[in-house]
Amino acid sequence: NAGVTQTPKFQVLKTGQSMTLQCAQDMNHNSMYWYRQDPGMGLRLIYYSASEGTTDKGEVPNGYNVSRLNKREFSLRLESAAPSQTSVYFCASSQELYQPQHFGDGTRLSIL
Amino acid sequence: EDQVTQSPEALRLQEGESSSLNCSYTVSGLRGLFWYRQDPGKGPEFLFTLYSAGEEKEKERLKATLTKKESFLHITAPKPEDSATYLCAVRTYNNNDMRFGAGTRLTVKP
Repeated sequence: NAGVTQTPKFQVLKTGQSMTLQCAQDMNHNSMYWYRQDPGMGLRLIYYSASEGTTDKGEVPNGYNVSRLNKREFSLRLESAAPSQTSVYFCASSQELYQPQHFGDGTRLSIL
Repeated sequence: EDQVTQSPEALRLQEGESSSLNCSYTVSGLRGLFWYRQDPGKGPEFLFTLYSAGEEKEKERLKATLTKKESFLHITAPKPEDSATYLCAVRTYNNNDMRFGAGTRLTVKP
């Protein structure tokens, strides 16, 4: 019963470095999401994928790119990391768009 | 602009002391309101979805209600294991988006 698996769990980057966060779900869900969570601000949607082959911007997409590799996997890429991208990143999935979402346990990313 | 506000930011209760958490929203057309529970170091865990004013959902000691402007999460006779951060989120017709509140951090003391 893995559910939603995110890798890595922790990462420290230097400003300007690039990185890809990986997410995989084993529930045969159609929709997947990437959020960031910052203290006092709640979760904010970065990108989402309603179904395999589609991706769309959320509330805060600048500085990020995504790839829906197949039905199971949805990756988030930071091309040139900035300190403002220090955050906890959560991946989620749902059967259809915006039905109740299942979340992974997050990637804690620090950018120095 | 769509906004979701949760209050209080933090709530400390004694075991057995019932209370309510509030989620108020100003959105252009509600498509659904979601409640989640989040434990430290973990991702949010789904609790309830509410779609229309007057709707209520219950699960163990938790009961969620919805009006046209706000939702309440009522906690009856809480136990220490109910300690967590409770998040609400709304989906609106304005954007194909999900907006979360900042959460209420609940601590239940034995």
